[in-house]
Amino acid sequence: AQSVTQLDSHVSVSEGTPVLLRCNYSSSYSPSLFWYVQHPNKGLQLLLKYTSAATLVKGINGFEAEFKKSETSFHLTKPSAHMSDAAEYFCVVSDDNQGGKLIFGQGTELSVKP
Amino acid sequence: EAGVAQSPRYKIIEKRQSVAFWCNPISGHATLYWYQQILGQGPKLLIQFQNNGVVDDSQLPKDRFSAERLKGVDSTLKIQPAKLEDSAVYLCATEDRVSRETQYFGPGTRLLVL
Repeated sequence: AQSVTQLDSHVSVSEGTPVLLRCNYSSSYSPSLFWYVQHPNKGLQLLLKYTSAATLVKGINGFEAEFKKSETSFHLTKPSAHMSDAAEYFCVVSDDNQGGKLIFGQGTELSVKP
Repeated sequence: EAGVAQSPRYKIIEKRQSVAFWCNPISGHATLYWYQQILGQGPKLLIQFQNNGVVDDSQLPKDRFSAERLKGVDSTLKIQPAKLEDSAVYLCATEDRVSRETQYFGPGTRLLVL
């Protein structure tokens, strides 16, 4: 069975400093991996996705993630945090062998201090 | 293009009452998903439709939850009777399975059962 583990439930950074949100996955197959962001009272928005092409994936708003098969990791990074980045972030794996349903991690809440 | 529409946005009911949620997908998206997101957790798939047929409802509590997608467009999710633990945000997502782009999420319906 596929699963994802987000290693931090809450991350706090200062504006202008780097962001690192950690995610490990478990999959029996070549996985599709995603990062979604959820701002308060808003729908989930796709940040980026990995589908077995380039291992370094660039997304929206300056975020990127690197797929490391040897470490089964898919960490999300951004060089410089902005106040508007404060939100809940979800690492997600897609079970392509079961109709493509998404399996979400528990989420990481990102706080950005001025 | 218009996004996924959901209504109502908020609903408060008492336990043992019934409630229904509605989802209108992005035009042309044949695949529709309902997720349940309990506070502090990632979304969990309840049911997946392909057109008007059910692909996966293994996580749907069928003694109280039901869903339909007549004519393969709009979908409704019903809970009858509701329990306190059903308090959550119910998210609808749709996908164009032909292009396999990504799942687009609606804003969700926040349900509080008292």
